[in-house]
Amino acid sequence: KQEVTQIPAALSVPEGENLVLNCSFTDSAIYNLQWFRQDPGKGLTSLLLIQSSQREQTSGRLNASLDKSSGRSTLYIAASQPGDSATYLCAVNVGYSTLTFGKGTMLLVSP
Amino acid sequence: NAGVTQTPKFQVLKTGQSMTLQCAQDMNHEYMSWYRQDPGMGLRLIHYSVGAGITDQGEVPNGYNVSRSTTEDFPLRLLSAAPSQTSVYFCASGEQGTDTQYFGPGTRLTVL
Repeated sequence: KQEVTQIPAALSVPEGENLVLNCSFTDSAIYNLQWFRQDPGKGLTSLLLIQSSQREQTSGRLNASLDKSSGRSTLYIAASQPGDSATYLCAVNVGYSTLTFGKGTMLLVSP
Repeated sequence: NAGVTQTPKFQVLKTGQSMTLQCAQDMNHEYMSWYRQDPGMGLRLIHYSVGAGITDQGEVPNGYNVSRSTTEDFPLRLLSAAPSQTSVYFCASGEQGTDTQYFGPGTRLTVL
């Protein structure tokens, strides 16, 4: 059974810091990995999707990497802002677009 | 495009009642799925569909039924609600090939 772990569970940083969120998964047989953002009481917003054949994806201040063989992904956020405060979820696609999620990292960026 | 829509936003049920959570998408996506999100458990897959007329079970299917008669709609039925089904329910859709998942805003269900 695929299991996804996210570390740390919570993170508090001052504005402007660069930070890294970690995700690991137990079965390397994945189609892709997706990072989501979830604001309190809201739905999920897709940030980045990395196909299993790719090593990284970038969008603005966000960069996600994937090492499928070791079962790891990282989400790098550059120059963090208070608006980045949210819960970040990592999910692996195990087939038919069905996702196995980690429990998330709750990020707080203080001004 | 409205994307993925879910109704209702909030619902309170009594134990033993039945209800249907509605999900619709207007992006002509083949894949649709239902997840529940519980504190400390993350999101877990309930049921999914790869096209009209085709559904399958996810990780936590007990107590839920689904059917998919059209590409657009994928309702989730609670047969006899239990307090353990108190949760936030998310519907998602995805397109074969791109695999980006689009999530609805969620339905917050409380079972008393």
